[in-house]
Amino acid sequence: EIVMTQSPVSLSLSPGERATLSCRASQSINNNYLGWYQQKPGQAPRLLIYGASARAAGIPDRFSGSGSGADFTLTISRLEPEDFAVYYCQQYGASPFTFGPGAKVEI
Amino acid sequence: QVRLVQSGAEVRKPGASVKVSCKASGYTFTDYYINWVRQAPGQGLEWMGWMNPSGGGTFSAPEFQGRVTMTRDASLTTAYMELSSLRSDDTAVYYCARGQKLYCSGNRCIPSDFWGQGTPVAVSS
Repeated sequence: EIVMTQSPVSLSLSPGERATLSCRASQSINNNYLGWYQQKPGQAPRLLIYGASARAAGIPDRFSGSGSGADFTLTISRLEPEDFAVYYCQQYGASPFTFGPGAKVEI
Repeated sequence: QVRLVQSGAEVRKPGASVKVSCKASGYTFTDYYINWVRQAPGQGLEWMGWMNPSGGGTFSAPEFQGRVTMTRDASLTTAYMELSSLRSDDTAVYYCARGQKLYCSGNRCIPSDFWGQGTPVAVSS
């Protein structure tokens, strides 16, 4: 089983600032099958990024993903008020498709 | 449009079982995997397993093996997840999500792009 870790656990920023979230896997992820999700309280997660760097349908271009192998990054270039949420990475290159523990972006 | 609609909230006693349904619409049900994910109160996302709605094959995460059963009724475009031998720490919101397209490759493999609304399950004596 691939173990996913995320850092930092939480990030305090202001609207307009840049957020950089890291995700590390315990081993290289096949085909860079790494996704990022956003979750707000009381809502289902929303897919932001798949394949490490491809934006999902309807996702604004201020969200970008990068990385390969076992190290990945989600960048939010300029935080909007609606971006304050919890972000999860997930590998789907090998079953079981494990999630990271999450990272909270707060004001 | 793609929609996944789940069954309503459930309350069970320890040792019982619960079965959650996930009705899919807006796409060809048998073309995409279904993933099941849960989230305990105040905790992160926990991936439970996937089901192939075409052939019925399943894979469950090690911590659920022997306790989870994922099935489907393709004629109803509905997936089901049954969890048995419930414990208090199974109290969570259970989600279904449309997974990757069968036989996809490269960047045509898109994980969990549409989610159900979640089904709260409470386990308490």
